[in-house]
Amino acid sequence: ETGVTQTPRHLVMGMTNKKSLKCEQHLGHNAMYWYKQSAKKPLELMFVYSLEERVENNSVPSRFSPECPNSSHLFLHLHTLQPEDSALYLCASSVGQGRYEQYFGPGTRLTVT
Amino acid sequence: DQQVKQNSPSLSVQEGRISILNCDYTNSMFDYFLWYKKYPAEGPTFLISISSIKDKNEDGRFTVFLNKSAKHLSLHIVPSQPGDSAVYFCAAINDYKLSFGAGTTVTVRA
Repeated sequence: ETGVTQTPRHLVMGMTNKKSLKCEQHLGHNAMYWYKQSAKKPLELMFVYSLEERVENNSVPSRFSPECPNSSHLFLHLHTLQPEDSALYLCASSVGQGRYEQYFGPGTRLTVT
Repeated sequence: DQQVKQNSPSLSVQEGRISILNCDYTNSMFDYFLWYKKYPAEGPTFLISISSIKDKNEDGRFTVFLNKSAKHLSLHIVPSQPGDSAVYFCAAINDYKLSFGAGTTVTVRA
């Protein structure tokens, strides 16, 4: 138990669906992150939020839309995804930006059909 | 372009022996390095870290070594235990961006 929870753990959606992934951290951290892990590839940073402000959008397509309503919650809204978007989506948090350890949630396994 | 590389996808070691995992990086701006451990169906768990101003950091059975001139770091686990069987990721930070290697799967044999 790392103090970072993600729901749902598994999600299957069609290409025309709209769904959201949720992340919650109970660590009192100020920075939150979304990562994507595709099969046989390293984790790829998608978005970074610090104190609820987005500080990084790592060239992610607009069909992925993040939302950070407060420092404890982070959402990833999904719409009109493609099959190649099927992956493990991981949320992480850290005390702040910079040289701090990031603590990860268990991930959401997303399958786009 | 992958800036953090783990060239050994797997490692098998006997229980009680030392496990040595290697990692190379290309970006000289990295100033903080971490190792994560991941079990199936779980997110990565932070294991140990090292600042670029140090060359060694030890925490129990885990020791990380950093060779800045060679842009190389390694993780030593001694003695290896069955519960250490997992995927180990090397990661490096430049500013706030964390770059990961592809991982090394460690199997500890009884």
